[in-house]
Amino acid sequence: EVQLVESGGGLVNPGGSLRLSCAASGFTLRTYSMHWVRLAPGKGLEWVSSISGSGNYIYSADSMKARFTISRDSAKTSLYLQMNSLRVEDTAIYYCARGVTGDIWDWYFDLWGRGTLVTVSS
Amino acid sequence: QSVLTQPPSASGTPGQRVTISCSGSSSNIGSYAVTWYQQLPGTAPKLLIYSNNRRPSWVPDRFSGSKSGTSASLAISGLQSEDEAEYYCTTWDDSVNGGVFGGGTKVTVL
Repeated sequence: EVQLVESGGGLVNPGGSLRLSCAASGFTLRTYSMHWVRLAPGKGLEWVSSISGSGNYIYSADSMKARFTISRDSAKTSLYLQMNSLRVEDTAIYYCARGVTGDIWDWYFDLWGRGTLVTVSS
Repeated sequence: QSVLTQPPSASGTPGQRVTISCSGSSSNIGSYAVTWYQQLPGTAPKLLIYSNNRRPSWVPDRFSGSKSGTSASLAISGLQSEDEAEYYCTTWDDSVNGGVFGGGTKVTVL
C-alpha cells in the first residue's frame, strides 16, 4: 500500500529538540519531492521545508531555516525533520507530503501522512 | 498574516454555488500555478485542484478552479453537506524562495 506514516512527535520543553520521521511505503523517495507542512492550533497550513527527488535542492521557511533540517536516509525510504531550539509557537501537527514529481516546483502534493503532534511547552 | 489572502469564511445552502478567492502577487500566483486543498476536521489535507484548474480523478466535477493574473478562485457548485471543510490555496513564491499558503477558508453548509 502506498502511504506515509509520521512519528516522533511529543511534548518537549522550549529550547529542546525533536526528530520527526516519515516512513514511506509502496514507493521510493528518490522519485519524488518530499515536503513538511504544519498546522498550528487555530491557524492555517504553513509550509516548513522541502527536498527534491534528487536530494540536490532543499528549501526551508525563513522562520525555521536556522533551526529545522530536512533529510532522507540513504535507502531513501524515510524522510526526517530535525527540529532544534523549539519554541512555543512551533506547536503544531506536522505532516509529511509527497510531491507528484521529483521537482520541488511542481507544487502539488498527492499523498499525505496523518500527521504527528508536536507540543512545545514548559 | 498569510502571503496569499483568502476570506476566512464562506457559506451556502445545499445545491448553491460557493466561490472562494485567493489573492497574491506577481512573485507567487502571477508566476506559478495554484493548488487547492480541502481539509476536513481532524484529517490530513486532500489535493483538490492543481495546475490552476485540473482535478485529480477522485475529485467530483462540482469543484473547479481558475486563475487570472495574481488571483485565483475555487468554485463549488451543487454544494453538499460533505463539502463542509477548510479550503487552502497555495503556490511557490520567488520572494520568499518557498511555498506559501492562504490563511484558509471555512466553508459552512447552512
